Amino acid sequence: DAGVIQSPRHEVTEMGQEVTLRCKPISGHNSLFWYRQTMMRGLELLIYFNNNVPIDDSGMPEDRFSAKMPNASFSTLKIQPSEPRDSAVYFCASSYGTGQETQYFGPGTRLLVL
Amino acid sequence: RKEVEQDPGPFNVPEGATVAFNCTYSNSASQSFFWYRQDCRKEPKLLMSVYSSGNEDGRFTAQLNRASQYISLLIRDSKLSDSATYLCVVLMFSGGYNKLIFGAGTRLAVHP
Repeated sequence: DAGVIQSPRHEVTEMGQEVTLRCKPISGHNSLFWYRQTMMRGLELLIYFNNNVPIDDSGMPEDRFSAKMPNASFSTLKIQPSEPRDSAVYFCASSYGTGQETQYFGPGTRLLVL
Repeated sequence: RKEVEQDPGPFNVPEGATVAFNCTYSNSASQSFFWYRQDCRKEPKLLMSVYSSGNEDGRFTAQLNRASQYISLLIRDSKLSDSATYLCVVLMFSGGYNKLIFGAGTRLAVHP
């Protein structure tokens, strides 16, 4: 059974470029989360979708960040324009229902903005 | 004050040792509690839930003290493979829904 799939696994880009991260949640899960992890700030929730609808985007840092979930099996997180301080590991996680006890994380995307 | 606080460590222990991690949370209305494990350069994974009566899973024991808003994880007979970061996680009602709040993690290094 496939887990949460994320792509790309690594991304190196230059400041000012657009970055798009992709996520495929576990089939049947209807909650999807985007997190960012850094040494300084730990794991931070960026946005939470339930049934493809954004429920909480209060963690999105600023207008440069946007996320979409056009259907139950795909989500994107876009950063435009990217900045060096966006360098982090971005995780996508999914869970079943609205209970958030067990979230299954994808392998993450390591982003480096030069 | 952070919502979930942990000692970052690292805890360096020899194989076979017993080690305990603590975690405190700020919201007394928090509902559920968990420990996640994160290996180096990997994603977090659920290790175990924490129940009010305390619970055990093999060498791992988790305890909750609601009065003190304190959670603990005890690892007995440490193995090299236990080396990882352990994240304390609290489920609380925030922003209109139940939300998982992750601590920054406690790093454990088990050496031969």
